[in-house]
Amino acid sequence: EVQLVESGGGLVQPGGSLRLSCAASGFTVSRKYMTWARQAPGKGLEWVSLINREDSTYYADSVKGRFTISRDNSKNTLYLQMNSLRAEDTGVYYCARGTIYESSGTYFDYWGQGTLVTVSA
Amino acid sequence: QSVLTQPPSVSGAPGQRVTISCTGSSSNIGAGYDVHWYQHLLGTAPKLVIYGNSNRPSGVPDRFSGSKSGTSASLAISGLQAEDEADYYCQSHDSRLSAWVFGGGTKLTVL
Repeated sequence: EVQLVESGGGLVQPGGSLRLSCAASGFTVSRKYMTWARQAPGKGLEWVSLINREDSTYYADSVKGRFTISRDNSKNTLYLQMNSLRAEDTGVYYCARGTIYESSGTYFDYWGQGTLVTVSA
Repeated sequence: QSVLTQPPSVSGAPGQRVTISCTGSSSNIGAGYDVHWYQHLLGTAPKLVIYGNSNRPSGVPDRFSGSKSGTSASLAISGLQAEDEADYYCQSHDSRLSAWVFGGGTKLTVL
C-alpha cells in the first residue's frame, strides 16, 4: 500500500528556516517524480516544487531561490528545505507522488495528509 | 491568480449533473498537455479523480467523467450525491512557466 507521511511543520518567524520531510512506503521515491504543493488559509492548491527521476528540480517562481527539494533514497524520504520564510508561505504543505501520462503530463496519484507551516512573529 | 481558470462555485441537487470548467491557454492545455482533476476536502489528502483528461483511477465511480477540447477541459459529475461536496481542482503543465499548475479550485455544493 502506498503511503506518504509529512512531518516537520510548525511555527517559525519571518526570515527563518524549516525542513519538511515526507516518508514514503509502498514504492521507491527514486523511481518516481515527487512533488510538494501547498494550500494557504482560504486559498486553493498551489504547486511548489518537483524532483524527477533524473534528479532535475523545478520550482514555482514564488519560492525559487529560497526552497530546495531533495530526497534520500536510503531513507525513501522526500525533503523540502525552506529558507527566508515569509508570512505568505504559511499554509498546509502536501507531498505527492507523480506519474507520467503518455509523455504529455504528470499527474499526482498519491498524496500525504499534509503538515502545517505557520510563518509569524 | 491561477493560469488555469475555474468557476469559484457550482451547485446541484442530489441526482443532478454538474460540470466544472477549466480554461487555460496555448502554453498549457492548448499546447497539448493533459488535464487532471482532484477532489479535496479540508483537512484531508487531495484525491485524484480523473487523469489524462478522461481516465478514472480505480475506485472512482463512473459518475465522474472528464473531457478536453482546445484550451479548455471539463469535469462532469452525474447522479450527484452528498459525499461529492468538496473542492475540485484541475491541474496541467505550463511550458512557458516550466511549472505544474493548478486551477483556482471550484467549491461544489450539493443542495
